[in-house]
Amino acid sequence: KNQVEQSPQSLIILEGKNCTLQCNYTVSPFSNLRWYKQDTGRGPVSLTIMTFSENTKSNGRYTATLDADTKQSSLHITASQLSDSASYICVVIPYGGSQGNLIFGKGTKLSVKP
Amino acid sequence: NAGVTQTPKFRILKIGQSMTLQCAQDMNHNYMYWYRQDPGMGLKLIYYSVGAGITDKGEVPNGYNVSRSTTEDFPLRLELAAPSQTSVYFCASTDRGNTGELFFGEGSRLTVL
Repeated sequence: KNQVEQSPQSLIILEGKNCTLQCNYTVSPFSNLRWYKQDTGRGPVSLTIMTFSENTKSNGRYTATLDADTKQSSLHITASQLSDSASYICVVIPYGGSQGNLIFGKGTKLSVKP
Repeated sequence: NAGVTQTPKFRILKIGQSMTLQCAQDMNHNYMYWYRQDPGMGLKLIYYSVGAGITDKGEVPNGYNVSRSTTEDFPLRLELAAPSQTSVYFCASTDRGNTGELFFGEGSRLTVL
């Protein structure tokens, strides 16, 4: 069964610190893996999109990595800011899957404290 | 820069009532989707559309209906609301199907009592 597992479930860090969020998946084969940021009460917003052949993708202070051999991805946030407080969702798109049938993780809720 | 617009943002329904969640996008995207997000769970696909006049079921379609008469609009109809339909509903659109960037609306929070 295609699954996406994220850890930790929640995380509290101090402003200015770095953190890494993990995503393990069983989806195979897959066409691309994405990280989304979802602010409380808002819709998800795309941070990065990586194809199966890419190892890393950056978007400002956000850097996503992908290891297709171990089926793991991580999202590293550098020099965290209060505005980084949100849920971060890992999404894997199965190769050849039906439209919109993205496999969503449950998300990691990040709280950045001053 | 409206993007994907959903209405209403909040709604409380009684069991057995019906309602329509509205979704409109101004990016001329062919692909549109409805997802639901339950607490502590990943988003689940309800219905999708690949263009005007074409719709299909997703993973959790029971209790819902959709239509796509125009490229811009993709309303979701709830018939005979049940407590199990209490959730946050997100509409999304893209120009390139599963390989394209997905743009989400702000969500519609529905409570069925």
